[in-house]
Amino acid sequence: RKEVEQDPGPFNVPEGATVAFNCTYSNSASQSFFWYRQDCRKEPKLLMSVYSSGNEDGRFTAQLNRASQYISLLIRDSKLSDSATYLCVAYTGGGNKLTFGTGTQLKVEL
Amino acid sequence: GAGVSQSPSNKVTEKGKDVELRCDPISGHTALYWYRQRLGQGLEFLIYFQGNSAPDKSGLPSDRFSAERTGESVSTLTIQRTQQEDSAVYLCASSEGLAYNEQFFGPGTRLTVL
Repeated sequence: RKEVEQDPGPFNVPEGATVAFNCTYSNSASQSFFWYRQDCRKEPKLLMSVYSSGNEDGRFTAQLNRASQYISLLIRDSKLSDSATYLCVAYTGGGNKLTFGTGTQLKVEL
Repeated sequence: GAGVSQSPSNKVTEKGKDVELRCDPISGHTALYWYRQRLGQGLEFLIYFQGNSAPDKSGLPSDRFSAERTGESVSTLTIQRTQQEDSAVYLCASSEGLAYNEQFFGPGTRLTVL
């Protein structure tokens, strides 16, 4: 089982729609979580960190459910520019690396 | 300020040749990471450098892969006797200190082994 698993998609949604992605992690010791965004043939960039209490940044909301070991990303009022691959990332203390999921592809269409 | 830079941006080589990839991290970032991303796949951790500590090499897939970093500056990733399965984008990232700090990625080196 992969440490971090995501539905690869693609999720095809119309502009203005609300879309949500889930990501599950297998290591209960994972401490910190992040969403990175990767545009086609570009490098990943941090979108937001995920806090236990959930956090919101404009149209983006991230939540963590430790009991079920998943994190989610909700995008409201999606824009064409949101089209990208969203990478779920976990950090497990004691190591020096982040574990990246394979990503969920989002395509926002007119 | 300047971000993470990598060179070359593209490298085409023949099977069996050695290649060297370079990464210039953001100035002042003590941590540097190398990742591999195969087409349509996620990021695969290769190696991590933190200051003058011994690097974490746990992600290197074989002894054909090695990396060096001088202090807190440039890093080079070397792949010896390249194989076709080495074809991928090699991404370098740097961060301030620990892994859970934001990692800033370079644009990557696209390696094609013929």
